[in-house]
Amino acid sequence: AQSVAQPEDQVNVAEGNPLTVKCTYSVSGNPYLFWYVQYPNRGLQFLLKYITGDNLVKGSYGFEAEFNKSQTSFHLKKPSALVSDSALYFCAVRQSPNTGGFKTIFGAGTRLFVKA
Amino acid sequence: SAVISQKPSRDICQRGTSLTIQCQVDSQVTMMFWYRQQPGQSLTLIATANQGSEATYESGFVIDKFPISRPNLTFSTLTVSNMSPEDSSIYLCSVVPGGKGSNTGELFFGEGSRLTVL
Repeated sequence: AQSVAQPEDQVNVAEGNPLTVKCTYSVSGNPYLFWYVQYPNRGLQFLLKYITGDNLVKGSYGFEAEFNKSQTSFHLKKPSALVSDSALYFCAVRQSPNTGGFKTIFGAGTRLFVKA
Repeated sequence: SAVISQKPSRDICQRGTSLTIQCQVDSQVTMMFWYRQQPGQSLTLIATANQGSEATYESGFVIDKFPISRPNLTFSTLTVSNMSPEDSSIYLCSVVPGGKGSNTGELFFGEGSRLTVL
């Protein structure tokens, strides 16, 4: 069975500082990994994904994430945080199709607070 | 990409009643899913809505409680039956745009339907 862990309920960072939101996963076969963001009273928006290729993927709003197969991690990063980045972030995993999986499983979410 | 419209956006319901949520997509999609999100919490997959066949339910969710229809590739409904206060939640429709071969794609979400059961 696939699963996703986000070990931090909340991350606090000062504006202008780098941020990291952690994610580890467990899945059979090669994983498809995603990050989504949810702003207050809004639906989920896609940020970035890893399917194959370079371990460092870049996404929307200056976010990037690094896939680490040996550590089964997919941490979200941004070099310089903005107050407007404050939101709820979800890591998600989908099994690759050759293992029969199409459904996406979400982590518990990490609330990011960026202080001015 | 895909634009997803959900109705109703919110509703307040009485215990014991049922409510049907509609999801309309602006393009044909093979994969459509229904999630539940309690406020500030994570998303839990209820079921995969299959066009022309019965939905595939996740553990803990049953057809009698959450019947799903998928009459075509652009539309689905989720009914929350015999509601109790524990069903108060946000229900989200999501799709992976394109055909079955596009399963590497990200999910697109509707704005959600916020249900409060009294």
